[in-house]
Amino acid sequence: EPEVTQTPSHQVTQMGQEVILRCVPISNHLYFYWYRQILGQKVEFLVSFYNNEISEKSEIFDDQFSVERPDGSNFTLKIRSTKLEDSAMYFCASRRDGTYNEQFFGPGTRLTVL
Amino acid sequence: KNQVEQSPQSLIILEGKNCTLQCNYTVSPFSNLRWYKQDTGRGPVSLTIMTFSENTKSNGRYTATLDADTKQSSLHITASQLSDSASYICVVSRNTNAGKSTFGDGTTLTVKP
Repeated sequence: EPEVTQTPSHQVTQMGQEVILRCVPISNHLYFYWYRQILGQKVEFLVSFYNNEISEKSEIFDDQFSVERPDGSNFTLKIRSTKLEDSAMYFCASRRDGTYNEQFFGPGTRLTVL
Repeated sequence: KNQVEQSPQSLIILEGKNCTLQCNYTVSPFSNLRWYKQDTGRGPVSLTIMTFSENTKSNGRYTATLDADTKQSSLHITASQLSDSASYICVVSRNTNAGKSTFGDGTTLTVKP
């Protein structure tokens, strides 16, 4: 069964460093999402991406964040200058075309900023 | 403001018992409501998805209901198992092209032998 994959599973970085989180969505999906979950808190929407551009973004997704689909398979989230409060689980999700189709989540990348 | 509220915050039941989790939402315009199961440290896994016109949806021992008029949903778990111990999250999507989702805080279910 196809699934969303994410790498790395755990990333440790120093404050101020740039990180790139990678996701491979399910191959025939057209909508892509990034979410984050700070430890002990609920999942929060960051950004949605369709047709090679951002569809919606939350207030969390400021200028320090960017997303890219550099080729036909990868979907990346870049944080330019990490802060301590960026430490969280980051989940990628993808969805086929159609508003009522469910989103499939990846296993997440745990980002720890020291 | 688009919000999703879940109750109870946590629940402990004995193996084999049934339980019902609640979700109230104010997300608009409404597209769909999904229930997810999230094990600690893992990504959410979809249990059910319901659109405006659906009142109930089952997936094995999980049955979700939706009342779009009162903006309430419930997830009923029948004959609970130890493996049901997890966080259950209600997610409501807006009827926009990207379908931005609002997540509830989740209900932490613990099933004890």
